[in-house]
Amino acid sequence: DQQVKQNSPSLSVQEGRISILNCDYTNSMFDYFLWYKKYPAEGPTFLISISSIKDKNEDGRFTVFLNKSAKHLSLHIVPSQPGDSAVYFCAARAGGTSYGKLTFGQGTILTVHP
Amino acid sequence: DGGITQSPKYLFRKEGQNVTLSCEQNLNHDAMYWYRQDPGQGLRLIYYSQIVNDFQKGDIAEGYSVSREKKESFPLTVTSAQKNPTAFYLCASSIPASGPSGANVLTFGAGSRLTVL
Repeated sequence: DQQVKQNSPSLSVQEGRISILNCDYTNSMFDYFLWYKKYPAEGPTFLISISSIKDKNEDGRFTVFLNKSAKHLSLHIVPSQPGDSAVYFCAARAGGTSYGKLTFGQGTILTVHP
Repeated sequence: DGGITQSPKYLFRKEGQNVTLSCEQNLNHDAMYWYRQDPGQGLRLIYYSQIVNDFQKGDIAEGYSVSREKKESFPLTVTSAQKNPTAFYLCASSIPASGPSGANVLTFGAGSRLTVL
């Protein structure tokens, strides 16, 4: 049962344009959402997060939007740069514990063309 | 610099052999985790530990074992009972979230790639 889904395996964008990565979830107990970025043969690195009490969080070129009613979140990268090319994972934490283990989506491969 | 060190980076194993992947952190984090990455399946949780001498099974614990004798170390043993062990293994650590709306950010190591010959 895939509780966190990233339905687009890949996304190709021109440099300078907006990249939009999407994530859907099914578990209503999720209260915190995170995006990680991963380069080949490396561990994922934390990018940005959002609590379920908010609907938007912004950090420089990266903005995450949360639509709780639709159980959907998205990551916007504006403007996209070639260095943003990586695999992006959406992750979610179930509430009720300080150490909530994360449930990850399958990942989306973003390619930004110069 | 603080971080997580995983070793070895690459490991080859013959069928029927047990292998142990090392994970050491100097971040003073209480919790540690092991994830497995397979193509098209994202990261799946194998085991996690919130405190020394305690650990819990994740979603795919069968064929794996762990120990947490020290705060800094969380080794993962891939046993011969694991039917499909070829994968990229990631160790991570974290501190408690600062309240219900606090972040629970995992810091990951660089990973270990295990190949069964």
